[in-house]
Amino acid sequence: QVQLVESGGGVVQPGRSLRLSCAASGFTFSTYGMHWVRQAPGKGLEWVAVISYDGSDKYYTDSVKGRFTISRDNSKNTLYLQTNSLRTEDTAVYYCARDQQWLVSGNDHWGQGTLVIVSS
Amino acid sequence: QSALTQPASVSGSPGQSITISCTGTSSDIEDYNYVSWYQQHPGKAPKLMIFEVSNRPSGVSHRFSGSKSANTASLTISGLQAEDEADYYCSSYTINTTPYVVFGGGTKLTVL
Repeated sequence: QVQLVESGGGVVQPGRSLRLSCAASGFTFSTYGMHWVRQAPGKGLEWVAVISYDGSDKYYTDSVKGRFTISRDNSKNTLYLQTNSLRTEDTAVYYCARDQQWLVSGNDHWGQGTLVIVSS
Repeated sequence: QSALTQPASVSGSPGQSITISCTGTSSDIEDYNYVSWYQQHPGKAPKLMIFEVSNRPSGVSHRFSGSKSANTASLTISGLQAEDEADYYCSSYTINTTPYVVFGGGTKLTVL
């Protein structure tokens, strides 16, 4: 069965960096686009970024452009989110999610999330 | 990148039907049939309930249905059950200079 397992979250000071990972199994990872979606405590879902199946296309929400980088290693079935220059407003649970059909058909599988807390 | 607009809360009694609206703009919902709906129970990951406006993934109950008119999408849940109590989010594909996804603010469904 499809499994997505995020890791790498934690408590970090403003301005610092974290690399989030998402280990995928149960499907052919290299044939699917992948997303990061975040949810601040008590708030709604916010789309963060997407990467195409081969890593050639990447798109970001405006608030993270220039600070976050989405990437993938298909040989390791792993998705990444490098988060730099973190701000308190980046505090959230970060979910990785599989793209059902490039950006148009929603996310059919989600991980359990990893919590990032940005605080001094 | 403005969020889609959803009511903060809706409620209904078991067996009744409810509808959650999701209002966007001509840049997202009105222009594309790429609206998805998610259900999220407290402390859990979201679950895809509807994609491409009205399609149900395998395993999702037929009690859940989606539709769209102009710039507003709707999720209807018929025969409400206690386990339907959750937060519901709509999302849409959109494009400005580059494509992206936009979510609604979420709707808390209470089953009375």
